[in-house]
Amino acid sequence: SQQGEEDPQALSIQEGENATMNCSYKTSINNLQWYRQNSGRGLVHLILIRSNEREKHSGRLRVTLDTSKKSSSLLITASRAADTASYFCASLSGSARQLTFGSGTQLTVLP
Amino acid sequence: EAGVAQSPRYKIIEKRQSVAFWCNPISGHATLYWYQQILGQGPKLLIQFQNNGVVDDSQLPKDRFSAERLKGVDSTLKIQPAKLEDSAVYLCASSLSSFNEKLFFGSGTQLSVL
Repeated sequence: SQQGEEDPQALSIQEGENATMNCSYKTSINNLQWYRQNSGRGLVHLILIRSNEREKHSGRLRVTLDTSKKSSSLLITASRAADTASYFCASLSGSARQLTFGSGTQLTVLP
Repeated sequence: EAGVAQSPRYKIIEKRQSVAFWCNPISGHATLYWYQQILGQGPKLLIQFQNNGVVDDSQLPKDRFSAERLKGVDSTLKIQPAKLEDSAVYLCASSLSSFNEKLFFGSGTQLSVL
């Protein structure tokens, strides 16, 4: 079963705008990871935020984590056409440290 | 640094046939994963190896799926016999540590079962 659910399922914005994607999960986590998947390709790791962190930045990416609400958000600032892809959150939880992916957000950035 | 290599890239078979996928992880990566990704969904873990031992195969349909990782490097995933619902992309990934952080994925094998 999938631990995380992304919202929205699809997002379409203009180049230069910011894109925000949300992820909710069900059980307590060790960390939460975000991955990008271009069409027909494998996933690429973007950023990892640990359960004791609230915010993390990497270039144009900003991730927040709210463990009380069991949710995370990924913000991409000043989006580019090359950011067009599917974005997945993956939560790491349990003593077995099982990594479970959400259903993804399809982001389209229009030039 | 070479990435995770997978082959074949595409495979079309008829139901009840068998199929095998191959994966070569990044050199030095101890942990290897096989994921199944159905169209429109996130990847679902099938099996995880630590070196050549199985760490997690709880979601592997063992009546038809099998996987091995010989000598702790390359891995093969086999389906026998295939069903229509096995149509998906099969992704191989590897990571340096055993902590399931920062996975590196191959481009996958797209399987169509007719």
